[in-house]
Amino acid sequence: AQKVTQAQTEISVVEKEDVTLDCVYETRDTTYYLFWYKQPPSGELVFLIRRNSFDEQNEISGRYSWNFQKSTSSFNFTITASQVVDSAVYFCALSEKSGGSYIPTFGRGTSLIVHP
Amino acid sequence: ETGVTQTPRHLVMGMTNKKSLKCEQHLGHNAMYWYKQSAKKPLELMFVYSLEERVENNSVPSRFSPECPNSSHLFLHLHTLQPEDSALYLCASSQELQNTEAFFGQGTRLTVV
Repeated sequence: AQKVTQAQTEISVVEKEDVTLDCVYETRDTTYYLFWYKQPPSGELVFLIRRNSFDEQNEISGRYSWNFQKSTSSFNFTITASQVVDSAVYFCALSEKSGGSYIPTFGRGTSLIVHP
Repeated sequence: ETGVTQTPRHLVMGMTNKKSLKCEQHLGHNAMYWYKQSAKKPLELMFVYSLEERVENNSVPSRFSPECPNSSHLFLHLHTLQPEDSALYLCASSQELQNTEAFFGQGTRLTVV
């Protein structure tokens, strides 16, 4: 079973639309970390946000916002007023303890295409 | 200079060749990782090194052999690969093991023919 599910394989929007990328995770740990990364066409994954399991406060950073809901095991990502430069693959990841380390598991990614 | 640099960016190799992928980080991080990214599959963690010691090997076939000579450099030695090994190989580093964010290189696009 997947530990991180990004049900949306591809989303296509027109510039200035708002878009939400879903992420649902599965863990039995009480301490864990959630991440979002952006992978532009150049290839490297770029870190966007980290959340620990004890901090359910939603966060806003410019046009980006994240909604962490432990009750539904979701960590959704919203881009407001999308731009063409937002076109990329976005990955959600879960880091749980394995042995002495936190080992990450990535979702399959959601490809976002923003049309001008 | 970018934080994590991978070379080469593209590699085509035959199934009988031996090649190596190189990763270098200039961020002073203690942990380094190899990931494999295939089309339509989740990002797969292959190896994790912390302070030059391997701490994770995710059941990776022995035709992939990592080497971490120091905390700034990570290699992935390849030999007798199969066409299904064709993928984007990403290197990453983090300050410590994985409750901190990782910084990724641009990857090596490997094609096995």
